[in-house]
Amino acid sequence: GDSVTQTEGLVTLTKGLPVMLNCTYQTTYSPFLFWYVQHLNEAPKLLLKSSTDNKRTEHQGFYATLHKSSSSFHLQKSSVQLSDSALYFCALISYQGGRALIFGTGTTVSVSP
Amino acid sequence: EAAVTQSPRNKVAVTGGKVTLSCNQTNNHNNMYWYRQDTGHGLRLIHYSYGAGSTEKGDIPDGYKASRPSQENFSLILELATPSQTSVYFCASGERNTLYFGEGSRLIVV
Repeated sequence: GDSVTQTEGLVTLTKGLPVMLNCTYQTTYSPFLFWYVQHLNEAPKLLLKSSTDNKRTEHQGFYATLHKSSSSFHLQKSSVQLSDSALYFCALISYQGGRALIFGTGTTVSVSP
Repeated sequence: EAAVTQSPRNKVAVTGGKVTLSCNQTNNHNNMYWYRQDTGHGLRLIHYSYGAGSTEKGDIPDGYKASRPSQENFSLILELATPSQTSVYFCASGERNTLYFGEGSRLIVV
């Protein structure tokens, strides 16, 4: 079945440094990938999405490129801010039921001054 | 901005009791979803709906029922709550491949 894998549970770094969060997926359908961000005690919110192979998509300083050849959709930012501290989920559209999202286990990003 | 509201936001229930979590959306989206969020598991799909009168099982439906009486409302029902159902529950509505989440309902079963 469809699945999403995020390998890092926690990423800690200092303000101003770059960050990359890993996301790989498995699906037998044409992939449509998402990154959601969830700040403490808030709802998950869409950060960015893509279904186009090898095209970079950007939003709020974050960017990701869908690579079908490696089944990956890694999230990056060049310079993190304190406000980027949050839980980040990678997700995949599942065409097997209701076009629901299948989520990875999430990566917590903690940015220190 | 799409609007999804959940109630109650916090609930303490006793084991064996019945719990109903309610969700209302004003986006006129056909699809609605219930997820639960647990550390180490991310968000897991419990039930979803294509529209009024429709409910479908997600990945972890055991112990849960769902009801979609109207386009706007989608409820999650725990007929016999158990401590393993202690979690944060999120409702979402969706269109054009984007889901909009409610603020979540924190349920503790004691």
